[in-house]
Amino acid sequence: QKEVEQNSGPLSVPEGAIASLNCTYSDRGSQSFFWYRQYSGKSPELIMSIYSNGDKEDGRFTAQLNKASQYVSLLIRDSQPSDSATYLCAVNQGGGADGLTFGKGTHLIIQP
Amino acid sequence: GAVVSQHPSWVICKSGTSVKIECRSLDFQATTMFWYRQFPKQSLMLMATSNEGSKATYEQGVEKDKFLINHASLTLSTLTVTSAHPEDSSFYICSARDWEWRDTIYFGEGSWLTVV
Repeated sequence: QKEVEQNSGPLSVPEGAIASLNCTYSDRGSQSFFWYRQYSGKSPELIMSIYSNGDKEDGRFTAQLNKASQYVSLLIRDSQPSDSATYLCAVNQGGGADGLTFGKGTHLIIQP
Repeated sequence: GAVVSQHPSWVICKSGTSVKIECRSLDFQATTMFWYRQFPKQSLMLMATSNEGSKATYEQGVEKDKFLINHASLTLSTLTVTSAHPEDSSFYICSARDWEWRDTIYFGEGSWLTVV
């Protein structure tokens, strides 16, 4: 059974610091990895995708993937109060009709 | 980026009635769409996978006769909650797979259903 694990938090980070969110997955065949941000009462919003080992940067966000260790992480630099949300890690094995396997999410709080 | 539109955003219905929620992919064709339910402070729960032109695949424990899914075109999937009861009140979210963009999955805005 495919599993995606995240620390539920809450993870509290002071404003301006780097927030580091981690995720591990069980299926070695996984090919696509996503980070979604979900504000309370809203649907998830895609913020990063990563497909190969290494780092991928987009603005203040950096996604890191290590397939050998089966983990993916998200770094948020210069954290802002507006970054306070639940961050969902999602993994897609690729192909077929399977959807994403989600972690339960990490609740991030940026303290002003 | 790709946009998935969901309608209505909010709906209140009487117990025993049915309500339909639409999910549209606006700028890509989605052969596969997904329906989720999320209760307050809980994680997303996949209800079913909707495949264009074929029957939906339901997750274990989800009543297919209660949650009717139709995916008649490449851009539209509908979820009908039949004979709704207060315990069906939840946040329903659809998502659509963009095959042409690395299987990326985009979410609709979600629909809040309240059954009174």
